[in-house]
Amino acid sequence: GENVEQHPSTLSVQEGDSAVIKCTYSDSASNYFPWYKQELGKRPQLIIDIRSNVGEKKDQRIAVTLNKTAKHFSLHITETQPEDSAVYFCAGAGLKTIFGAGTRLFVKA
Amino acid sequence: GAGVSQSPSNKVTEKGKDVELRCDPISGHTALYWYRQSLGQGLEFLIYFQGNSAPDKSGLPSDRFSAERTGGSVSTLTIQRTQQEDSAVYLCASSDTSLALPYEQYFGPGTRLTVT
Repeated sequence: GENVEQHPSTLSVQEGDSAVIKCTYSDSASNYFPWYKQELGKRPQLIIDIRSNVGEKKDQRIAVTLNKTAKHFSLHITETQPEDSAVYFCAGAGLKTIFGAGTRLFVKA
Repeated sequence: GAGVSQSPSNKVTEKGKDVELRCDPISGHTALYWYRQSLGQGLEFLIYFQGNSAPDKSGLPSDRFSAERTGGSVSTLTIQRTQQEDSAVYLCASSDTSLALPYEQYFGPGTRLTVT
């Protein structure tokens, strides 16, 4: 069945460094790829998304890239700050939305 | 405007009892999703409603779980004969798919279910 794999499951970086989270998807019908951030005890919230007709999108310190041929997409966070510490979920959406298992990001001050 | 709301926020129940969890989606959103999130884990898809179409129930873990959506708005997730492994946060999300495109899901605050 459809699947979204996300790596790594845990990522620890020093404040100011960059963080990269990668996802691959299997459903060729997927055409929308959102990223959600979930802080401890809070609900997931959208931070950035990309549609299949675009290869890259940037919003301040965060950017997402999409390679439709290879069926993978990535989240890049630059100049990380302690408040970036959270769990990040990728998703692939077509007729159905499939979430990745999540990446727990720790930013050490 | 008002976001997705869920009730109750917390529910403690004894093993074997039935529980009902409620979700009020954002007005006008045609798609509604239920997820289960165990402590420190990811989002486990349970069920998806889209307009008047038959719901996608492929994620329901057993026949003890059921959900309905009345009038295309409010949804209720029912768990019968609860078990301790049902303890988790149950999240509801809604999405506007009126443009026939997948779009952002707006999550509710969740219901924390504890089965003792």
